[in-house]
Amino acid sequence: AQSVTQLGSHVSVSEGALVLLRCNYSSSVPPYLFWYVQYPNQGLQLLLKYTTGATLVKGINGFEAEFKKSETSFHLTKPSAHMSDAAEYFCAVSPSRRSGNTPLVFGKGTRLSVIA
Amino acid sequence: EPEVTQTPSHQVTQMGQEVILRCVPISNHLYFYWYRQILGQKVEFLVSFYNNEISEKSEIFDDQFSVERPDGSNFTLKIRSTKLEDSAMYFCASSEKVFTAEAFFGQGTRLTVV
Repeated sequence: AQSVTQLGSHVSVSEGALVLLRCNYSSSVPPYLFWYVQYPNQGLQLLLKYTTGATLVKGINGFEAEFKKSETSFHLTKPSAHMSDAAEYFCAVSPSRRSGNTPLVFGKGTRLSVIA
Repeated sequence: EPEVTQTPSHQVTQMGQEVILRCVPISNHLYFYWYRQILGQKVEFLVSFYNNEISEKSEIFDDQFSVERPDGSNFTLKIRSTKLEDSAMYFCASSEKVFTAEAFFGQGTRLTVV
């Protein structure tokens, strides 16, 4: 079975500091990986995704993530945090690349706080 | 920008009552999903829907749940007899193709069963 582990339910950084949100996954087949963000009172918005090709993927709002197969990780980073980055971040894995319409498996989420 | 819309944003219901959560997916999307998130827990898959039928469902999606696309635009989730443990945020999502494409999520409906 596929699973996602997000280390740290709450991460707090200073404005301008590096953001690092950790995600490790378990999958029996090559995964597709996603990061979603949820701002207060809003839905889930796709930040970025890895399917094939380059392992470093860039997303919206200056975020990027690197797929490391050897470490089964897909950590999310941003060089310099902004106050507007405060939100809940979810890592997700798609279980199978062979089967269409497969559901996403989500992690528990990490709440990012940015301190002025 | 096209978006998935869900109504209501918050629903309070008494235990044992039926509730219908409504979603309007993005118009050219073909795949539809319901997820839920119990407070403090993971976002969990409930069901996926394609070509007017359920294509996959989780163990959570038991006989108390049903989905429907009644009129070609709405996508509904019905819970026949709500239980306290059904209290959660329910998210609808849609995608144009399979999940390798971007799935667009609605803002969610917070269901509170009292």
